[in-house]
Amino acid sequence: NAGVMQNPRHLVRRRGQEARLRCSPMKGHSHVYWYRQLPEEGLKFMVYLQKENIIDESGMPKERFSAEFPKEGPSILRIQQVVRGDSAAYFCASSPGPVGSGNTIYFGEGSWLTVV
Amino acid sequence: DQQVKQNSPSLSVQEGRISILNCDYTNSMFDYFLWYKKYPAEGPTFLISISSIKDKNEDGRFTVFLNKSAKHLSLHIVPSQPGDSAVYFCAQDNQGGKLIFGQGTELSVKP
Repeated sequence: NAGVMQNPRHLVRRRGQEARLRCSPMKGHSHVYWYRQLPEEGLKFMVYLQKENIIDESGMPKERFSAEFPKEGPSILRIQQVVRGDSAAYFCASSPGPVGSGNTIYFGEGSWLTVV
Repeated sequence: DQQVKQNSPSLSVQEGRISILNCDYTNSMFDYFLWYKKYPAEGPTFLISISSIKDKNEDGRFTVFLNKSAKHLSLHIVPSQPGDSAVYFCAQDNQGGKLIFGQGTELSVKP
């Protein structure tokens, strides 16, 4: 887990508010991924980004969720108008290149979102 | 339909013995598999990986075996230690970082 930094670690939001989760990848990594773990479930892929580009967002809910990885600064996962079902652990991961070509994904410690 | 399945939600093993965690997959198009270990309230930690050009990969106490014909892989930990107690996830790389995870197996190693 060393090197992938996520903040905040814990976030409480009321229904209807916005949640912003930030992720700084490991040094030298230009590929960022977001995963979500709902209570009592395994991790589910949400989105894969490279600098300024969304490569694969097939796991993102169609509405209210967006992600970016700007040229400068951390990757941001944004959830608008949160609902109770958004309560989950959100994990960011990074890799130096595409996975499978000798590269491995390394995860951060996670951000726990609670919607009240 | 689960593309990656870990059918045992939990496993209990005595310290010093072998732990064997199993994983089955359905999609043989993608041939890179990873194992992660996860403690509560922490992120998954990468343990070991294997691609289909091999049927075995070893790293210290951890060995992963891949049986392509059976679409099955297993993680062996020997000897097991109490610090190995955690949830273990297998994952299949569905091209370019989209990992499909199993449900996890909670390993408990008793002293």
